[in-house]
Amino acid sequence: GDSVTQMEGPVTLSEEAFLTINCTYTATGYPSLFWYVQYPGEGLQLLLKATKADDKGSNKGFEATYRKETTSFHLEKGSVQVSDSAVYFCALGPLSSGSARQLTFGSGTQLTVLP
Amino acid sequence: DAGVIQSPRHEVTEMGQEVTLRCKPISGHDYLFWYRQTMMRGLELLIYFNNNVPIDDSGMPEDRFSAKMPNASFSTLKIQPSEPRDSAVYFCASTPGLAGDEQYFGPGTRLTVT
Repeated sequence: GDSVTQMEGPVTLSEEAFLTINCTYTATGYPSLFWYVQYPGEGLQLLLKATKADDKGSNKGFEATYRKETTSFHLEKGSVQVSDSAVYFCALGPLSSGSARQLTFGSGTQLTVLP
Repeated sequence: DAGVIQSPRHEVTEMGQEVTLRCKPISGHDYLFWYRQTMMRGLELLIYFNNNVPIDDSGMPEDRFSAKMPNASFSTLKIQPSEPRDSAVYFCASTPGLAGDEQYFGPGTRLTVT
């Protein structure tokens, strides 16, 4: 079945450091891929997404590229801020040809950015 | 739009009591999802609905859990009787329904069963 493997945390960085959180997936076909972020005490919110191979999603300085050849969707940011401290979830979406609509989530990566 | 609305935000109850969690999805969204989040098990999908009809309830842990969606703007998740191991944050999410659409999450209900 579909699955998402996400870099285990926690990850602790200093402000302005470079961030990479690895995400790889297993799926048939061409699913959509998502990164969600969860700030303390809140629900998950979409950070960025990509719906086809080689697409790059970007938002708030974060980027991720849909790599079908490596089945990966790694999250990157060139210079993190204290306000980026949160839990980040990689998720795999349903195939456009199917009727299912549930997302498959990774286990989440806790990021802490120190001033 | 107000986003997905959940109530209550916090619930503390004693073991054996009935608990009802409520969710109002975003208007026009055809799909509604219930999730449970714990430190041990992470984020788990419990059940989801399409046009008020349950599509997949394979994640519902036991018969003590039940979910309903009587109309397009309201859903409930009920636990009866509740147990301490049900303590978690329960999220509701909705989506318009196309394959590339994101899910929009509510703020969650933190349930504590003592």
